[in-house]
Amino acid sequence: DIQMTQSPSSLSASVGDRVTITCRASQNITNYLNWYLQKPGKAPKLLIYAASFLQSGVPSRFSGSGSGTDFTLTITSLQPEDFVTYYCQQSYSTLWTFGQGTRVEIK
Amino acid sequence: QVQLQESGPGLVKPSQTLSLTCTVSGGSISSSSYYWIWIRQPAGKGLEWIGRMYTSGSTNYSPSLKSRVTISVDTSKNQFSLKMSSVTAADTAVYYCARASAYYSSEARYYAMDVWGQGTTVTVSS
Repeated sequence: DIQMTQSPSSLSASVGDRVTITCRASQNITNYLNWYLQKPGKAPKLLIYAASFLQSGVPSRFSGSGSGTDFTLTITSLQPEDFVTYYCQQSYSTLWTFGQGTRVEIK
Repeated sequence: QVQLQESGPGLVKPSQTLSLTCTVSGGSISSSSYYWIWIRQPAGKGLEWIGRMYTSGSTNYSPSLKSRVTISVDTSKNQFSLKMSSVTAADTAVYYCARASAYYSSEARYYAMDVWGQGTTVTVSS
């Protein structure tokens, strides 16, 4: 399996802050990397596909970058609804895997 | 707009088989270039990819679950299903079905899970 490791596991921030979440793959996945957010009690929602492409309807304060093994999700100017959990997921191999998640909490 | 809805027993006894169905509405499950996927999430934990089925019917499963899992499709009912045998308490989780769509660039085709069901809670207990 390709292992996906997110860091940090959690972070505290304030409304208006800029935050960056990192996702590292155990092998080269080129740019076959997606990001999701999950609100408590709800299904995940696709934010970014192919490492840097914003899903339709997702606010432009979200952006993704990276290739190979190292990827980042950046949220500029955190909004109250952004304090949720974020997951990366690789679709490079036939067996897809998720990172363990990063919880963004209000400071 | 495609929607997915999971259904099935909320309680399963240990050693029995868990059976869940995902009903697709607003579109055909036979449409080309989609993967149909099952994911689960134990309470308070992260997402675990269980497996996927392509429109053609080909399947791939997580190595840790492969010996116990089958994903199948019923095109007449526009549904796909998950069967997991020999369940234990460790299989207690919220189970999600999802669709992965293809996204194209000049270089490649990428898949991402763009439509999800609301999830259904399955508890394994006697």
